[in-house]
Amino acid sequence: DTAVSQTPKYLVTQMGNDKSIKCEQNLGHDTMYWYKQDSKKFLKIMFSYNNKELIINETVPNRFSPKSPDKAHLNLHINSLELGDSAVYFCASSPSEGAQYFGPGTRLLVL
Amino acid sequence: AQTVTQSQPEMSVQEAETVTLSCTYDTSESNYYLFWYKQPPSRQMILVIRQEAYKQQNATENRFSVNFQKAAKSFSLKISDSQLGDTAMYFCAFMKTRIASGSRLTFGEGTQLTVNP
Repeated sequence: DTAVSQTPKYLVTQMGNDKSIKCEQNLGHDTMYWYKQDSKKFLKIMFSYNNKELIINETVPNRFSPKSPDKAHLNLHINSLELGDSAVYFCASSPSEGAQYFGPGTRLLVL
Repeated sequence: AQTVTQSQPEMSVQEAETVTLSCTYDTSESNYYLFWYKQPPSRQMILVIRQEAYKQQNATENRFSVNFQKAAKSFSLKISDSQLGDTAMYFCAFMKTRIASGSRLTFGEGTQLTVNP
């Protein structure tokens, strides 16, 4: 009965490839997020969707494209992967107002 | 823009002792939320405690409590009776209320806490 799940947990790929990370929440929350945690463990918001509508789009390369097919799912597609994309990517969800609950993270390593 | 500062990159404490982690923030908002999250070696981000700025009473969750000083923009976390399982990176985070933004969390740099046996 995992609340926020992400797949895959680990992703190792070559530069230039395209990859996707999937996120699902079963908490009934309206809002979902993608955060990036860099090698120094700093966490920063990338995107947020509320009821399938994009509401936060930080300064992120347009190689990153989020997609929300329904309010329980938020996927992240990354085109033309670069070495600097290596990081841990976290999905999170929250009710209309309140704390955010995180998935287990996806560690992406670009070689 | 909001900023969150955790001035202690690393701390250690003996098992069963008490430790306090510091956090300061900067905002012009009058209503907002503050959180502490814990990230153990498993990498999972776990919500420890939350505080609404309009509430004067400090939040408490079992062994975890906060000292919220709104005027000083300070939000420290006290862990009592420290346990080995408390070893983790602790992040302080700020969130404006929903109406004002898309509810993004702004995180501090983190404090690595080690509990020694």
